[in-house]
Amino acid sequence: GENVEQHPSTLSVQEGDSAVIKCTYSDSASNYFPWYKQELGKRPQLIIDIRSNVGEKKDQRIAVTLNKTAKHFSLHITETQPEDSAVYFCAPSVGGYNKLIFGAGTRLAVHP
Amino acid sequence: EAGVAQSPRYKIIEKRQSVAFWCNPISGHATLYWYQQILGQGPKLLIQFQNNGVVDDSQLPKDRFSAERLKGVDSTLKIQPAKLEDSAVYLCASSLLLGSAYEQYFGPGTRLTVT
Repeated sequence: GENVEQHPSTLSVQEGDSAVIKCTYSDSASNYFPWYKQELGKRPQLIIDIRSNVGEKKDQRIAVTLNKTAKHFSLHITETQPEDSAVYFCAPSVGGYNKLIFGAGTRLAVHP
Repeated sequence: EAGVAQSPRYKIIEKRQSVAFWCNPISGHATLYWYQQILGQGPKLLIQFQNNGVVDDSQLPKDRFSAERLKGVDSTLKIQPAKLEDSAVYLCASSLLLGSAYEQYFGPGTRLTVT
């Protein structure tokens, strides 16, 4: 079956530092690569996504890079702020029906 | 634009009882998803509908879980009988189209506790 792994599982940084989370997947046919942020007790919310015809996408302090050959994509957060503290999930698509397989999550803590 | 609505928000039942959850997707969204999120894990897809037809239910425990989406809008997810391991948050999501890479919008979830 499909396999999705995220690393690290926990990440602690100081405010203003950068944070990088990596996601590896097994389905070579995956063509959509979103990252979701979930704050405690709240619903997952899309923060950035990338499609397979693009290698990198940036939105203010957040960026996603994709390496389809190696089957991994990464979330980059620069100038981290305490409000970035949350659990982040990668969820690459599988099959042809926009089915997402969520990783186990990375708990990011940003300390003031 | 109104978001995905779910009810109830919380439910506590005893094992072997039954429970039902309701979801109303964003207007115009053809695809509806039910996920199970156990504490400390990522959401796991249970079932995916396109309009009122099932696209994927490969991870739905069909001996106890059932779901329907009559008229291609609202959906209900039922568990009968519940087990302790069913304690989780049940998330409903919707997206615009099937077969395309469109954002999935999540509802607030229903937190189920089975005692």
